[in-house]
Amino acid sequence: DQQVKQNSPSLSVQEGRISILNCDYTNSMFDYFLWYKKYPAEGPTFLISISSIKDKNEDGRFTVFLNKSAKHLSLHIVPSQPGDSAVYFCAASVLGNEKLTFGTGTRLTIIP
Amino acid sequence: KAGVTQTPRYLIKTRGQQVTLSCSPISGHRSVSWYQQTPGQGLQFLFEYFSETQRNKGNFPGRFSGRQFSNSRSEMNVSTLELGDSALYLCASSHMDRAGGYTFGSGTRLTVV
Repeated sequence: DQQVKQNSPSLSVQEGRISILNCDYTNSMFDYFLWYKKYPAEGPTFLISISSIKDKNEDGRFTVFLNKSAKHLSLHIVPSQPGDSAVYFCAASVLGNEKLTFGTGTRLTIIP
Repeated sequence: KAGVTQTPRYLIKTRGQQVTLSCSPISGHRSVSWYQQTPGQGLQFLFEYFSETQRNKGNFPGRFSGRQFSNSRSEMNVSTLELGDSALYLCASSHMDRAGGYTFGSGTRLTVV
């Protein structure tokens, strides 16, 4: 039962343009969402998070949007840079439980 | 400050053997979680420890176990290794501040032959 889904295994974007990565979830108990970036042979690196009481959170080039009614979140990267090429995972958690439930990841490739 | 340190980085074991992996969290972080990453299943939660107590456990067989010491360092053990246990094992530590996320180590790549 995949409670967090990233339906696009891969995405290619031109350098300087906007990258939009999507994530859907099924468990309405999730109240905190995170995005991680992962390079091969390294652990995931935390990018940005959002609480279910918000619908948007920004940090520099990264913005996460949350649509609770649709159980959907997205990560926007503007402008996209070559160093952004990596696998991006969304993850979700429930208050009081440190367990993160991860999506299967989206491989983002930025084309110079 | 030092990040999350996992040792060893790489490990090759034979089917039927057992293995112990180590994780040193960021200083001051008391929560340590373990995850298994495989190409087919993605990142799967194994268990989480806080103050030497296991608080959460994922859906893994009893061959997977762990513990946490008083200095917050953690170990996980896998007994009677199977070929399917080949994976990247990741440890993450947390300061219990959700806004800061969880900091992951670089992982231990376990290969079972």
